[in-house]
Amino acid sequence: NAGVTQTPKFQVLKTGQSMTLQCAQDMNHEYMSWYRQDPGMGLRLIHYSVGAGITDQGEVPNGYNVSRSTTEDFPLRLLSAAPSQTSVYFCASSYWGTSGRSYEQYFGPGTRLTVT
Amino acid sequence: EDQVTQSPEALRLQEGESSSLNCSYTVSGLRGLFWYRQDPGKGPEFLFTLYSAGEEKEKERLKATLTKKESFLHITAPKPEDSATYLCAVQDDGGFKTIFGAGTRLFVKA
Repeated sequence: NAGVTQTPKFQVLKTGQSMTLQCAQDMNHEYMSWYRQDPGMGLRLIHYSVGAGITDQGEVPNGYNVSRSTTEDFPLRLLSAAPSQTSVYFCASSYWGTSGRSYEQYFGPGTRLTVT
Repeated sequence: EDQVTQSPEALRLQEGESSSLNCSYTVSGLRGLFWYRQDPGKGPEFLFTLYSAGEEKEKERLKATLTKKESFLHITAPKPEDSATYLCAVQDDGGFKTIFGAGTRLFVKA
C-alpha cells in the first residue's frame, strides 16, 4: 500500500493564480481531510469528507474548495491564491479504528506552498 | 470550544536524559487523545490513542499517560533519533473533527 500520496511536494504561485493540490489514498478509508500547518500553530482543518459525494467545512475553509467523486481521491482547489495561504498542506485519510472507539488518521507527506 | 495546549514549545535533552512533554486539553466529551511524531519535512506519524483517564500506552522509549485534563508523553533514556516534533490532538464525542496542539520540538544531543 502506498498509503496517502500528495502532489506536488512544492509549489510557488503568484497572487491571484489558481491551482489544485492532489491527494489519493489506497486504504479504502471513508474519511478524508485537508489541514494546513503554520509555524507556531497546530494543524487546522480546512475541509473534510465523510464519503464520496459528501464534503463539509472545517475551521479555515475560506479560499478553498473540495470535491470527492471517488473514495480514493480528495483534491483541494485554491480559487485565487493569496500570500496568507502560504503554508504546508497535509491530506489525511481516516477510518473508524480497530478498537471501535475513535477515528484514526493517516497523513500524507505534505505540499509546501508559497504564494508571492 | 475544544482546545489543546502543549508545553514546552521546545525541549533540549542530552542523550539518556529522561523527561516529559505535556498536553493540556479542554473538550466537552473525550472520544480519544492522540500522540503523533512529525519529522522535518514529513507528515505526522501516528503513535498512540488514549481513551480514558488512567490509561497508559508504551512504545520503545515512549510512554503516554492520560488524566481528565492532561496527557504526558514520557521519554526514557532518549536517543538522538528521537528528535522530532511531537503533536497532541483530541477528538470529541460529537463527531470526526480532531483538534491539534502546536507541538513540542524535541532535540536530543549525543
